[in-house]
Amino acid sequence: SAVISQKPSRDICQRGTSLTIQCQVDSQVTMMFWYRQQPGQSLTLIATANQGSEATYESGFVIDKFPISRPNLTFSTLTVSNMSPEDSSIYLCSVGGLAGGAQYFGPGTRLLVL
Amino acid sequence: AQSVTQLDSQVPVFEEAPVELRCNYSSSVSVYLFWYVQYPNQGLQLLLKYLSGSTLVESINGFEAEFNKSQTSFHLRKPSVHISDTAEYFCAVSENNQGGKLIFGQGTELSVKP
Repeated sequence: SAVISQKPSRDICQRGTSLTIQCQVDSQVTMMFWYRQQPGQSLTLIATANQGSEATYESGFVIDKFPISRPNLTFSTLTVSNMSPEDSSIYLCSVGGLAGGAQYFGPGTRLLVL
Repeated sequence: AQSVTQLDSQVPVFEEAPVELRCNYSSSVSVYLFWYVQYPNQGLQLLLKYLSGSTLVESINGFEAEFNKSQTSFHLRKPSVHISDTAEYFCAVSENNQGGKLIFGQGTELSVKP
């Protein structure tokens, strides 16, 4: 597995502002992903973060709202832009491509938008 | 397209009782199956996985799951639960055995009472 950290762990933001979430892994990984978990709901994949190229977004998610960067094999950021209360969720990054064939998740960032 | 259905949103049980959390999937291609656990206010932890080989897989804390291709199921079982097993359990499916994109079920809240 891998040790994955996220910053911030939680934040309270005003509508109309943007928040950038960082994900750091303690080893190089081929795959990184960003998920959203809305209150009381399951996880939904936002996008696959591709190193050196644009992220691959799932249906219903767009780059203007959720820009993602991945400058190297150990780090990625997700920005939640022009936030509204509907963006209040837990945002989780995860990594794959490790021995064992599973994905491993970071601790999540709890976002509340007022 | 792949999908995962967890048939029970909540499962209340008494301590030391057996439990089964149900998971069914649909897919037109080979599948790889996972159970994740989310303890209150924490991130997701991998509980167990089926990638190939024996259809019965076990975790270190007494849970087991059996891949049943004919019934397209991957139910999670434990013969005797503890208070500490109280958590949200997510079943997930992937077309990729390298830790690729996951599709999650809706989750089952297991509540163990004394």
